[in-house]
Amino acid sequence: DTEVTQTPKHLVMGMTNKKSLKCEQHMGHRAMYWYKQKAKKPPELMFVYSYEKLSINESVPSRFSPECPNSSLLNLHLHALQPEDSALYLCASRDRGGSPLHFGNGTRLTVT
Amino acid sequence: AQSVTQLDSQVPVFEEAPVELRCNYSSSVSVYLFWYVQYPNQGLQLLLKYLSGSTLVKGINGFEAEFNKSQTSFHLRKPSVHISDTAEYFCAVTGTGAQKLVFGQGTRLTINP
Repeated sequence: DTEVTQTPKHLVMGMTNKKSLKCEQHMGHRAMYWYKQKAKKPPELMFVYSYEKLSINESVPSRFSPECPNSSLLNLHLHALQPEDSALYLCASRDRGGSPLHFGNGTRLTVT
Repeated sequence: AQSVTQLDSQVPVFEEAPVELRCNYSSSVSVYLFWYVQYPNQGLQLLLKYLSGSTLVKGINGFEAEFNKSQTSFHLRKPSVHISDTAEYFCAVTGTGAQKLVFGQGTRLTINP
């Protein structure tokens, strides 16, 4: 069982849809991450929140919009995505610099 | 900045044989090193970590790794593999105090009966 919970597990959306991915952790971690992972590739960092403030945005297109409502929750709002955005989206959290990331099982997103 | 090179994209081995997955890193500052495993359709699970202290690190599922500062390596080993070890393995590095974790390209470990 993972301590980082992501919902939904699978999502299929059209290019005109608006949807959200959700991530929750109750380990008291103050840093939360969104990664995108394409098949047979390592995870690519998208966003980092530290103490509920956006600290890193890896030049991600604006059709991806992160939100951190509180220290336990992280959302990724999706709008007007492209088929090439289809991927596994992973959420992770960590306690402090140097500590390992704890990953959720991801949301498998398909854009049609 | 840090970078990681996993020297083998695929490693096939027979069940109960030993295995070594190679990882080299580069960094201008002190680092923390990690190995993660990813099973199909799952997230990444931490196998082991090196933060400081003993250079031989033991992890879950019988895996261990050795930190070699002079060779900038952090190779992963297991003396006897099982079919259930079939997965993708990622080496990762972060600078002390850094927020970003840099991943290698991954090594696909396939265990044959």
